[in-house]
Amino acid sequence: EPEVTQTPSHQVTQMGQEVILRCVPISNHLYFYWYRQILGQKVEFLVSFYNNEISEKSEIFDDQFSVERPDGSNFTLKIRSTKLEDSAMYFCASTLYRDTRPLGRGEKLFFGSGTQLSVL
Amino acid sequence: GQQVMQIPQYQHVQEGEDFTTYCNSSTTLSNIQWYKQRPGGHPVFLIQLVKSGEVKKQKRLTFQFGEAKKNSSLHITATQTTDVGTYFCAGNYGGSQGNLIFGKGTKLSVKP
Repeated sequence: EPEVTQTPSHQVTQMGQEVILRCVPISNHLYFYWYRQILGQKVEFLVSFYNNEISEKSEIFDDQFSVERPDGSNFTLKIRSTKLEDSAMYFCASTLYRDTRPLGRGEKLFFGSGTQLSVL
Repeated sequence: GQQVMQIPQYQHVQEGEDFTTYCNSSTTLSNIQWYKQRPGGHPVFLIQLVKSGEVKKQKRLTFQFGEAKKNSSLHITATQTTDVGTYFCAGNYGGSQGNLIFGKGTKLSVKP
């Protein structure tokens, strides 16, 4: 089965440093997402991305965060100046399409294996 | 904001016992999805429920969506050690389907 791949699997950084988390979504998918999960907590939505622009973002996704699709395969999440509270597992996800019918039938998310970010 | 409450937070069962986790939303959901996360792993999609009162089965797993589309449950019959993991419900309130609101999850441990 096709997979979403994420690199690196672990990233350790100093507070205030910039980090870039990388993802390669499933090749024919069109919608891309970043979620994060603080240890032992629930999965939280950060941002969705379609057609080279942000579709939606949560309150967590402030000015320190940015996303980019620099080429046809990669999807990146950049944190400009990391804070201690940014320490979490960051999951990339993708879907082929989203249903726009009024019924609101969604499409399942394919998650990558995550990048564990530790900010010291 | 929109919240999905999930209980219990933890469940320890003996192998062969049944297990149920419940999710509740204060507002009507467009659809609800269920994911399983193995220890150290990533969420893996199990199922999606869309219709009011919908019931779906996958082998020993039974998923229900309430009539008011505000609550959902996952029931596992005769648990096995392979069922170990955290089960998350994730609600979609319409609009962007990717903006799923996850419950806190129920961590299931199964004693052989």
